[in-house]
Amino acid sequence: NAGVTQTPKFRVLKTGQSMTLLCAQDMNHEYMYWYRQDPGMGLRLIHYSVGEGTTAKGEVPDGYNVSRLKKQNFLLGLESAAPSQTSVYFCASTGGSTDTQYFGPGTRLTVL
Amino acid sequence: AQSVTQPDIHITVSEGASLELRCNYSYGATPYLFWYVQSPGQGLQLLLKYFSGDTLVQGIKGFEAEFKRSQSSFNLRKPSVHWSDAAEYFCAVKAAGNKLTFGGGTRVLVKP
Repeated sequence: NAGVTQTPKFRVLKTGQSMTLLCAQDMNHEYMYWYRQDPGMGLRLIHYSVGEGTTAKGEVPDGYNVSRLKKQNFLLGLESAAPSQTSVYFCASTGGSTDTQYFGPGTRLTVL
Repeated sequence: AQSVTQPDIHITVSEGASLELRCNYSYGATPYLFWYVQSPGQGLQLLLKYFSGDTLVQGIKGFEAEFKRSQSSFNLRKPSVHWSDAAEYFCAVKAAGNKLTFGGGTRVLVKP
């Protein structure tokens, strides 16, 4: 099993550009999450999904959109990137309420 | 709303010395608690978790944590630190919807 994978690993954008981050998991997990990590702030939840076709807002959803068209994939979109979105983005998945969240390796995004 | 506080941003410890990382949480119900470790440039790896039962939890890499409900704490300990333990450590509490709330992290530096 590959676990949780993220594409791409690094990306540099200019302000106003758009992009999509892809998260894939091969553990048949129902729940998937997108976090951003900024120094001193830990990880903050952007959006999450409790199953295929569902999405919900987390703590810091503004400026991001997500989609969960397939159970194994969870996409994070930035429609118009801003420098404040420079961060490291982590995807995670879990199978249920007592299960561990498994994290991907992260995507480092810089917005100039 | 739930919250997690890690009071120490940085800790420096000598190799072979003991380590204790503090974590305080705020959550209305019985908490599910986690400690994750993040090595530089890597994703998060689960060290240990507490759901119920014995309040002293053993994890990987020789770590343990003790849940103290009266103090709303879940401190992480290791009796003898190795240079490879240099990393950032995150405490987290699980809330409704299987969402994790993370503390700000504690960066551990290990002196030779």
